[in-house]
Amino acid sequence: DQQVKQNSPSLSVQEGRISILNCDYTNSMFDYFLWYKKYPAEGPTFLISISSIKDKNEDGRFTVFLNKSAKHLSLHIVPSQPGDSAVYFCAASGQNYGQNFVFGPGTRLSVLP
Amino acid sequence: DADVTQTPRNRITKTGKRIMLECSQTKGHDRMYWYRQDPGLGLRLIYYSFDVKDINKGEISDGYSVSRQAQAKFSLSLESAIPNQTALYFCATSDLKGLQETQYFGPGTRLLVL
Repeated sequence: DQQVKQNSPSLSVQEGRISILNCDYTNSMFDYFLWYKKYPAEGPTFLISISSIKDKNEDGRFTVFLNKSAKHLSLHIVPSQPGDSAVYFCAASGQNYGQNFVFGPGTRLSVLP
Repeated sequence: DADVTQTPRNRITKTGKRIMLECSQTKGHDRMYWYRQDPGLGLRLIYYSFDVKDINKGEISDGYSVSRQAQAKFSLSLESAIPNQTALYFCATSDLKGLQETQYFGPGTRLLVL
């Protein structure tokens, strides 16, 4: 059973609009969450992270929100740009995993010009 | 130059063959990882190493082995390749700051086992 879920395999958004990517997790011991972005033929690259002591972290156009009670996090991209088109992976880690990461299956975002 | 490199980038092999995937890093990180990516499953951890000579099994280590004989190099071997090992393989290094870790990935090796 997947401990980190991204239930939308794909998402299409118009350029300039907001993109919202969602991630749910089942293990309450996770205390650190990250988003990675992956272009074709490249490895994933780190985008933004959030610790469980926070409920929001912002970096430029990217904001991650964490709702611990719902075991849910989301990545907001505002405004979306065509260069944001990629696969986005959510990842979680916690002390019980020796800080190893558990990755979700990914969401493919397409930003339409 | 890339901080994390993987060779080869693409490989086709036959069932039963032994193959090795290489990973090198110039980031000076102690921690290194091998993952595989399959459609719909995200990235799954095969093996990881926190230092030279330190080897730990991940979620899906069966059928794989690794070697970490230098800080900068971490190799993954398939002793006897089988078709369900066809996947995209990623090496990663990590930087641990306090309790928060960020991983940096190589470009990947696409492996096809016939």
